[in-house]
Amino acid sequence: DAKTTQPPSMDCAEGRAANLPCNHSTISGNEYVYWYRQIHSQGPQYIIHGLKNNETNEMASLIITEDRKSSTLILPHATLRDTAVYYCIVRIPTFSGGGADGLTFGKGTHLIIQP
Amino acid sequence: DGGITQSPKYLFRKEGQNVTLSCEQNLNHDAMYWYRQDPGQGLRLIYYSQIVNDFQKGDIAEGYSVSREKKESFPLTVTSAQKNPTAFYLCASTPTGGNTEAFFGQGTRLTVV
Repeated sequence: DAKTTQPPSMDCAEGRAANLPCNHSTISGNEYVYWYRQIHSQGPQYIIHGLKNNETNEMASLIITEDRKSSTLILPHATLRDTAVYYCIVRIPTFSGGGADGLTFGKGTHLIIQP
Repeated sequence: DGGITQSPKYLFRKEGQNVTLSCEQNLNHDAMYWYRQDPGQGLRLIYYSQIVNDFQKGDIAEGYSVSREKKESFPLTVTSAQKNPTAFYLCASTPTGGNTEAFFGQGTRLTVV
């Protein structure tokens, strides 16, 4: 089972900021929050990840609450090409001895950017 | 360029036949994964492998088999025991050290006719 909960769909006007929420109330101390997106019939694309500090890159910003039980992905100026399914996952980076985890995805949020 | 390659992009199979989907990566990643995606659904994990000659079942392994004879390759066989094999199949890889993202192939769409 996925460890995260996301709304199934959201709309956002083109040019506005898109704020996508994710709940991960059972996150453990060494699990990171990752965001990916999938445009129809393509492989998922990495967006951003973080542990407890807010993160920003050229694609998006990630805001993680202080208790780490939820996070928000922010696309600052959404364009039509940002229409996609966005997945929030939590996972432990595979440090020594642990091996790879199952890398589990949920159903994600279908973000629709309206012109 | 480094990446992960799935082939073929589209595959048609007659009911009752086994078919093998290819996944190759040149990223020197230790871990590889296979997912199945149905219309309007998220990714469901079929199998994953942490190292060569070792793999674990995911959530929906029944009717599928894998092998990991080489680090670069993780083929998935959809057997005739899979009752509903028509789906979009995605392969991914990650390193097993450090905090980095997973890389995905572009997928194979399998249709049973």
